Amino acid sequence: EAGVAQSPRYKIIEKRQSVAFWCNPISGHATLYWYQQILGQGPKLLIQFQNNGVVDDSQLPKDRFSAERLKGVDSTLKIQPAKLEDSAVYLCASTRGSYNEQFFGPGTRLTVL
Amino acid sequence: AQSVTQLDSQVPVFEEAPVELRCNYSSSVSVYLFWYVQYPNQGLQLLLKYLSGSTLVKGINGFEAEFNKSQTSFHLRKPSVHISDTAEYFCAVSSNTGNQFYFGTGTSLTVIP
Repeated sequence: EAGVAQSPRYKIIEKRQSVAFWCNPISGHATLYWYQQILGQGPKLLIQFQNNGVVDDSQLPKDRFSAERLKGVDSTLKIQPAKLEDSAVYLCASTRGSYNEQFFGPGTRLTVL
Repeated sequence: AQSVTQLDSQVPVFEEAPVELRCNYSSSVSVYLFWYVQYPNQGLQLLLKYLSGSTLVKGINGFEAEFNKSQTSFHLRKPSVHISDTAEYFCAVSSNTGNQFYFGTGTSLTVIP
């Protein structure tokens, strides 16, 4: 089966600009996660969707970050406006259910100048 | 909320020697525990997981981990490491509803020939 797809793979923007990342999970996976992984740190969960509903967004900086999964399939994560400290790899993962193995995409490496 | 502490940021070990990577967690509820591996320039993949049942969990590539509830630990072990085990290892915890997923900061394992 195809894995988790993410695009773009790399993005360089200036601070205060906006950026969007796209994720297409494995077919049939109801749960989708967005993580932020800053260099030298572990992934930090930003938001968890179950189908098109939000299960956990307690660590999402809601003043600048937003995410949606309108049809319960693919998802978009947006940053508006970006700050220097947003430079990181943004990972998307999906599972068939909440208790199962998370399958990770290749990530999007964001550099904010 | 849950949290994870990986006690060693870097672990160098000679080839064919045993290794233990330490992980402690804190939680006010029952948890699920996971170990993920990230090989250089690759995405995260699951090594093993503890959901319930036997406290000794066997994973891929000869790794195993033991859940110790009294010590709130989930240490990862391998009796004999190979060069190909060089990677970043992440311990992760979630609530037993599969929500509130937290990763540790990672342990960089370097296997020395």
